[in-house]
Amino acid sequence: EAQVTQNPRYLITVTGKKLTVTCSQNMNHEYMSWYRQDPGLGLRQIYYSMNVEVTDKGDVPEGYKVSRKEKRNFPLILESPSPNQTSLYFCASSFLGVDEKLFFGSGTQLSVL
Amino acid sequence: RKEVEQDPGPFNVPEGATVAFNCTYSNSASQSFFWYRQDCRKEPKLLMSVYSSGNEDGRFTAQLNRASQYISLLIRDSKLSDSATYLCVVNMKNNDMRFGAGTRLTVKP
Repeated sequence: EAQVTQNPRYLITVTGKKLTVTCSQNMNHEYMSWYRQDPGLGLRQIYYSMNVEVTDKGDVPEGYKVSRKEKRNFPLILESPSPNQTSLYFCASSFLGVDEKLFFGSGTQLSVL
Repeated sequence: RKEVEQDPGPFNVPEGATVAFNCTYSNSASQSFFWYRQDCRKEPKLLMSVYSSGNEDGRFTAQLNRASQYISLLIRDSKLSDSATYLCVVNMKNNDMRFGAGTRLTVKP
């Protein structure tokens, strides 16, 4: 089944404790992206990648890191989480192209205490 | 000005009603347009793409007005299962997707 697999679904952590949210897709998509969703603000892009070893900042990259060592995986790393990073996070992927639709993972609800 | 703006709603309509959502975008060079549906705290899913000539998929009709920089979604004969948040999505260029904050729809019996 074609899908974007994101883990964990829920995560509660404390300020400063490094964490990683994993994202994997099995559709051979070149493009992968991370978003956060906060009430009233819609989805905002954190980082994106057009292909292996190619990553770029989105609109809200501060406090996050990503890597794209393999085409299928695009983990999101929070080196030192803070309470303002409490949010709902989505990973998405697509083929390159203006008409290509995004496929989303099922989301990660992160709470930083 | 936000790049993609939607009326947040909520829209509360009875079953069988027709409801329309509008969305405006700021970048006149935007290349493609979509409506996504999002159920509470779940991942967005593509509802339909929006083409310049307008397009229809069952009870759903999407239209694009490039001159005025807005897109619309019309839902006819609303069902209870249509209750969700509808996201307007604009591809600025090269997979640079911009999302509206969403319009919440509740269809009541």
